[in-house]
Amino acid sequence: DTEVTQTPKHLVMGMTNKKSLKCEQHMGHRAMYWYKQKAKKPPELMFVYSYEKLSINESVPSRFSPECPNSSLLNLHLHALQPEDSALYLCASSHNRARSSYNEQFFGPGTRLTVL
Amino acid sequence: DQQVKQNSPSLSVQEGRISILNCDYTNSMFDYFLWYKKYPAEGPTFLISISSIKDKNEDGRFTVFLNKSAKHLSLHIVPSQPGDSAVYFCAAMRGTTSGTYKYIFGTGTRLKVLA
Repeated sequence: DTEVTQTPKHLVMGMTNKKSLKCEQHMGHRAMYWYKQKAKKPPELMFVYSYEKLSINESVPSRFSPECPNSSLLNLHLHALQPEDSALYLCASSHNRARSSYNEQFFGPGTRLTVL
Repeated sequence: DQQVKQNSPSLSVQEGRISILNCDYTNSMFDYFLWYKKYPAEGPTFLISISSIKDKNEDGRFTVFLNKSAKHLSLHIVPSQPGDSAVYFCAAMRGTTSGTYKYIFGTGTRLKVLA
């Protein structure tokens, strides 16, 4: 199983709503990532979890709150978002090592988020 | 500060010919470089990678070349096929002080292979 799944595929929310994005992988990867991608731009790293601990937070606003309940699951909790937060949110996972054939990231299909 | 750049936003190539996608970087501390392909409404898919200590890696129709002195890498696709039409991202991977790895993506090149 080399798949990363993300739910929901699409999400529309108001600025006062609270919602969560979910990501799951069963490849035994111990590093998991959240990226944000705007149209015609590269994926921008938001958070990295390594062995279920938050390892990197790229100065993301606190209205985005990540959570890694176990080694297979990654959540992104959303609260009081702004319209400019509308984007494709991508989850990825990888082995946590720099070694040939182990360094690729596997991406999920993304959640298309629209904030009204 | 864009550490990884792809200066050609788009490229059109005839089917059967070679596609060459280019990528430049500024940081000498990257450990690996990777190429990803992305279709609309899907996540990026890994294609091929190269270690910073190598200068070439080949996998089927895909070859990546690394020129460390020029801080430049390129992806060659031979022969190009219509199904290769997608956005291609190069990415650079480096370790961090927290013991994990960061991947920094280039701006992407949209490849169109014409039948």
